[in-house]
Amino acid sequence: IAGITQAPTSQILAAGRRMTLRCTQDMRHNAMYWYRQDLGLGLRLIHYSNTAGTTGKGEVPDGYSVSRANTDDFPLTLASAVPSQTSVYFCASGNSGAGANVLTFGAGSRLTVL
Amino acid sequence: QKEVEQDPGPLSVPEGAIVSLNCTYSNSAFQYFMWYRQYSRKGPELLMYTYSSGNKEDGRFTAQVDKSSKYISLFIRDSQPSDSATYLCATLNRLAFGKGNQVVVIP
Repeated sequence: IAGITQAPTSQILAAGRRMTLRCTQDMRHNAMYWYRQDLGLGLRLIHYSNTAGTTGKGEVPDGYSVSRANTDDFPLTLASAVPSQTSVYFCASGNSGAGANVLTFGAGSRLTVL
Repeated sequence: QKEVEQDPGPLSVPEGAIVSLNCTYSNSAFQYFMWYRQYSRKGPELLMYTYSSGNKEDGRFTAQVDKSSKYISLFIRDSQPSDSATYLCATLNRLAFGKGNQVVVIP
């Protein structure tokens, strides 16, 4: 089934630990995105990549890093997790530059930092 | 000012009622507007998108854009319990989303 796979679906993490959230898409979309969703704040863009080999900062990039070594994978890394990074993280993909860039979302990764 | 504003208040309606959801946007240059539906503990999924101004219908759903007032709306006719979800507006010119409205349709 074509779509986006995120892993893990849920994780509890001690503050200060390093964590990588994985995202893989099989739709050959050129662009990929990471959002976090928090109650009362909605979806906020963390980082994005318009094509393999390039990345950019979104609205809330601090404390996060990404890489885009190939078209399909777009991991999000928290180098040293803090409790304020407790959130639900959504990966999305789309075709940037193609008019209506309709985003397809993954099912989310629920992260709790203690 | 946020690029897309959506009052995140919850909305409860009886089955069969019309649901009306609204957002405003800041930049008159925006042209692509989307509505996403998100069920509990799931990712958002595209419900409808519109380009520029006017109405678009898809079954019981109507999306409306008023560029003169920078207002976008979603109407759900004959609402069903299965419509209970959070609805998010978005402009894909900036990949910006509203905060979402949680809709509960009571049988």
